[in-house]
Amino acid sequence: KNEVEQSPQNLTAQEGEFITINCSYSVGISALHWLQQHPGGGIVSLFMLSSGKKKHGRLIATINIQEKHSSLHITASHPRDSAVYICAVRRGGNQFYFGTGTSLTVIP
Amino acid sequence: ETGVTQSPTHLIKTRGQQVTLRCSSQSGHNTVSWYQQALGQGPQFIFQYYREEENGRGNFPPRFSGLQFPNYSSELNVNALELDDSALYLCASSLDAGGNGYTFGSGTRLTVV
Repeated sequence: KNEVEQSPQNLTAQEGEFITINCSYSVGISALHWLQQHPGGGIVSLFMLSSGKKKHGRLIATINIQEKHSSLHITASHPRDSAVYICAVRRGGNQFYFGTGTSLTVIP
Repeated sequence: ETGVTQSPTHLIKTRGQQVTLRCSSQSGHNTVSWYQQALGQGPQFIFQYYREEENGRGNFPPRFSGLQFPNYSSELNVNALELDDSALYLCASSLDAGGNGYTFGSGTRLTVV
């Protein structure tokens, strides 16, 4: 059983749509990260959250510590947003537990 | 844009061989972690090094070993390669053991045949 569950696993959207990816976790954490992985493998850290909400451009990430839940929102989605989005929780130090990712395809 | 560089980007090895993967972290990043990402899976934690000492390990056998050097570079060594070792290996570094300034490399794709 995964400590981190993401939904949906796969998502296809039309350009311009509002997108939400959800992450639930079952362990106590010190921080939660949203990561973006493009074909070829390289991972980019989008957000690190320990409470509340963060916004960067068209991306918004929220976390509810009590409910052990986080969401990543993409407004006005664009084909270049097509990637795998991974939720990762940090329990201490650099030890992370990763979700299996949500594969997003945005169609022009 | 990443300050963590991994080499090589792709590698093919034969079952039973040994492999060394390299990671060059940003200056000042005292902590480095290695992850294995099998196809279609999320990354799995292999181990973490802080100031050249291993200080955390995931559920991987002893044939997975590592080194961290004073110049902020590190290595992942895998002995007696098995077909299931085929995966993307990711290195991540941070300023301290608390994970501040956490940065991933682009990974090394290892194929074992």
